[in-house]
Amino acid sequence: AAGVIQSPRHLIKEKRETATLKCYPIPRHDTVYWYQQGPGQDPQFLISFYEKMQSDKGSIPDRFSAQQFSDYHSELNMSSLELGDSALYFCASSLSGGLTYEQYFGPGTRLTVT
Amino acid sequence: AQKVTQAQTEISVVEKEDVTLDCVYETRDTTYYLFWYKQPPSGELVFLIRRNSFDEQNEISGRYSWNFQKSTSSFNFTITASQVVDSAVYFCALRSNTGNQFYFGTGTSLTVIP
Repeated sequence: AAGVIQSPRHLIKEKRETATLKCYPIPRHDTVYWYQQGPGQDPQFLISFYEKMQSDKGSIPDRFSAQQFSDYHSELNMSSLELGDSALYFCASSLSGGLTYEQYFGPGTRLTVT
Repeated sequence: AQKVTQAQTEISVVEKEDVTLDCVYETRDTTYYLFWYKQPPSGELVFLIRRNSFDEQNEISGRYSWNFQKSTSSFNFTITASQVVDSAVYFCALRSNTGNQFYFGTGTSLTVIP
């Protein structure tokens, strides 16, 4: 079965640079979530989108922005990168109104800021 | 407020031993969903189980079993006859019916020693 796809899997950037992470949800899933997991930390919710509209917002820094496109894929844009942004970024997708409410997570993008 | 507590930071067991991972949650919602995810060293989050707040029936899946008790707000996870491949970080998570985001516990790192 198709899973959530994230690209790139690994990314190295320098301080003050920008980065764009991409997420392709499971086909027919209409909701996308972004999480940030720092080293040794639990995943922290950043933001979610339903039908291309922001549906919920967590601890996303102002330097970050995200959007969901008409094909339901989503991009997380990160500017003015800081060392503390080094983390594993997960995207998850779900089918809104589905019976199970599971969020299926992608493999993550490991961002290293040097 | 939603909160998930996994008091056990690290657990080590010898192969074939049984091990229980504790999860205690807090929520004011009457309808909510509880999850367990496994995060192996490769980093991806693997869905293990979902439990609805209105379904207190315990579940067994192979060597895995879950004990959901609303009276104590706990959703514990037991691995029977542990194997080395069970070594991973295990996260308990809570999702309310009124929001999209998952609230993760801080995770329990399980090491199964051969």
